[in-house]
Amino acid sequence: GNSVTQMEGPVTLSEEAFLTINCTYTATGYPSLFWYVQYPGEGLQLLLKATKADDKGSNKGFEATYRKETTSFHLEKGSVQVSDSAVYFCALSDTAGTALIFGKGTTLSVSS
Amino acid sequence: ETGVTQTPRHLVMGMTNKKSLKCEQHLGHNAMYWYKQSAKKPLELMFVYNFKEQTENNSVPSRFSPECPNSSHLFLHLHTLQPEDSALYLCASSQDRLGRGNTGELFFGEGSRLTVL
Repeated sequence: GNSVTQMEGPVTLSEEAFLTINCTYTATGYPSLFWYVQYPGEGLQLLLKATKADDKGSNKGFEATYRKETTSFHLEKGSVQVSDSAVYFCALSDTAGTALIFGKGTTLSVSS
Repeated sequence: ETGVTQTPRHLVMGMTNKKSLKCEQHLGHNAMYWYKQSAKKPLELMFVYNFKEQTENNSVPSRFSPECPNSSHLFLHLHTLQPEDSALYLCASSQDRLGRGNTGELFFGEGSRLTVL
């Protein structure tokens, strides 16, 4: 079945550090891939997405590239801020699915 | 109001109680979802509604009973719950049901934090 695996957290960084959160997936066909973010006390919101191989999604300084050959969609940001502290979820939606399938989430904590 | 609104934000109930969670979306979307978020586990899809019709029941125990009276409102009726049902319950909506080539975005509410004593 379809599934998403994210690196275990928490990830603790200092402000302006480089961020990578790994995400790999298992799916039939050609899924669309997403990163959602959940700030404290809030619901999830879409951060970025990519719908086909080699697409790069980007938003608010975050980027992720859809790598079909490695079935990965790693999230990166060159310089994190304290305000980026949140839980990040990788997710996929395949053409036959009825809703998004999420990973367990990775907690990011950024200190000044 | 805009977006997806869930009430109550926090709920504490005993195992013999009956309560309901409410979700309302003001986005004009046609599909609505219930997800369960537990610590250190992936979000679990519970139910999917498309144009008020239930299209997915992800093997959810019958003590959870969804209701979708119209495309804007979704309820989750709770009865005789167990302590392991304590979690954050998230409602979401999308323009149309995901899949079938539609890779649209899900819009989430802030969740209802449920504690079962």
